Amino acid sequence: GENVEQHPSTLSVQEGDSAVIKCTYSDSASNYFPWYKQELGKRPQLIIDIRSNVGEKKDQRIAVTLNKTAKHFSLHITETQPEDSAVYFCAAGDSENAGGTSYGKLTFGQGTILTVHP
Amino acid sequence: DARVTQTPRHKVTEMGQEVTMRCQPILGHNTVFWYRQTMMQGLELLAYFRNRAPLDDSGMPKDRFSAEMPDATLATLKIQPSEPRDSAVYFCASGFWQVRTDTQYFGPGTRLTVL
Repeated sequence: GENVEQHPSTLSVQEGDSAVIKCTYSDSASNYFPWYKQELGKRPQLIIDIRSNVGEKKDQRIAVTLNKTAKHFSLHITETQPEDSAVYFCAAGDSENAGGTSYGKLTFGQGTILTVHP
Repeated sequence: DARVTQTPRHKVTEMGQEVTMRCQPILGHNTVFWYRQTMMQGLELLAYFRNRAPLDDSGMPKDRFSAEMPDATLATLKIQPSEPRDSAVYFCASGFWQVRTDTQYFGPGTRLTVL
């Protein structure tokens, strides 16, 4: 099955700096890579996602890049703000199998605790 | 703004008792997932359903956990008997799958404490 590794496990930055979180995956057939943000005591919420037919996607201060050859993808947050402080999870989407049936599972990384200091 | 709902939000029970958690997926979604979140294990997939049929429950301890979808608007996760190691936050998520993997939307979770 798929295995997703996420680094770093904790990240501390000053307000206004950039933050980068990296994930690697093992199944070369995975084709969907979402990122979730989870604030303390809340549900994980999707912040951005990317499919394997594109290399980069941006949404205001956040961007995701994907390198299919190396099997890694990254989340970039620019001009960080204290409200960006949360746990961020990457995930890789299960792919179509040889029989043409996609199971639609996500395998999650272990999470990164991001702290933005004012 | 449609959301996944879960009940109860908090549950404290004693070891050996039965626990039932309920989830209402977003209307129109055809896939429902159950996850368990702990500090040590992160987000673990327990089971999931598509069009109410179970697709994979390999993440669940079969002897004590069971998951069902009695209808398209209700998914249940049951633990019987519960043990202290089952203490965790249990999330339900739903999504619409057609041909390819797509976005999952999470419910608020049920925080379970087994004494």
